[in-house]
Amino acid sequence: RKEVEQDPGPFNVPEGATVAFNCTYSNSASQSFFWYRQDCRKEPKLLMSVYSSGNEDGRFTAQLNRASQYISLLIRDSKLSDSATYLCVVNPWNNNDMRFGAGTRLTVKP
Amino acid sequence: DAGITQSPRHKVTETGTPVTLRCHQTENHRYMYWYRQDPGHGLRLIHYSYGVKDTDKGEVSDGYSVSRSKTEDFLLTLESATSSQTSVYFCAIRTATGTPLEQFFGPGTRLTVL
Repeated sequence: RKEVEQDPGPFNVPEGATVAFNCTYSNSASQSFFWYRQDCRKEPKLLMSVYSSGNEDGRFTAQLNRASQYISLLIRDSKLSDSATYLCVVNPWNNNDMRFGAGTRLTVKP
Repeated sequence: DAGITQSPRHKVTETGTPVTLRCHQTENHRYMYWYRQDPGHGLRLIHYSYGVKDTDKGEVSDGYSVSRSKTEDFLLTLESATSSQTSVYFCAIRTATGTPLEQFFGPGTRLTVL
């Protein structure tokens, strides 16, 4: 079983739709959680860190469920520019050992 | 922009040849990382550095070595490249303090080993 698992998608949604991604992790002692976005043939870029209480940044909302060991990312009012691969990242010990999911691909269509 | 550059950006080489990739940062970050990214896998840590001359192995370090003689440069060397090392290589830095400890990535090097 992979340490961090994501549905690879692709998710194809129309502009304006709401879309949600889940990510499960295996290490119950994990300390830090992140969502990155990666455009085709580009580097991953930090989208948001995920806090225990959940957090929101504009159209993006991240949630953490420690009991079930998953994190989620909700995108509201999808834009064409949201098309990318979204990477779930878990840092088990809040140190140098980040573990990455393989990513979920999102395509937003006109 | 985390001030990270990587060179070369693309390289094609032959099996058995040595290859060195360079990561350069301009903001004096202490922690630097090398990852590889392959289809179907998440990014996997190869080696990391926590200061000049201080390095440690990551999850997939076999076949790779690193060096850090200056704060700004972190080199990744494939002593004898193999086709299984064909990949995209990303360098990253880590913010020094705070929780959580976020990482920021360079633009990547696309390496093909024939």
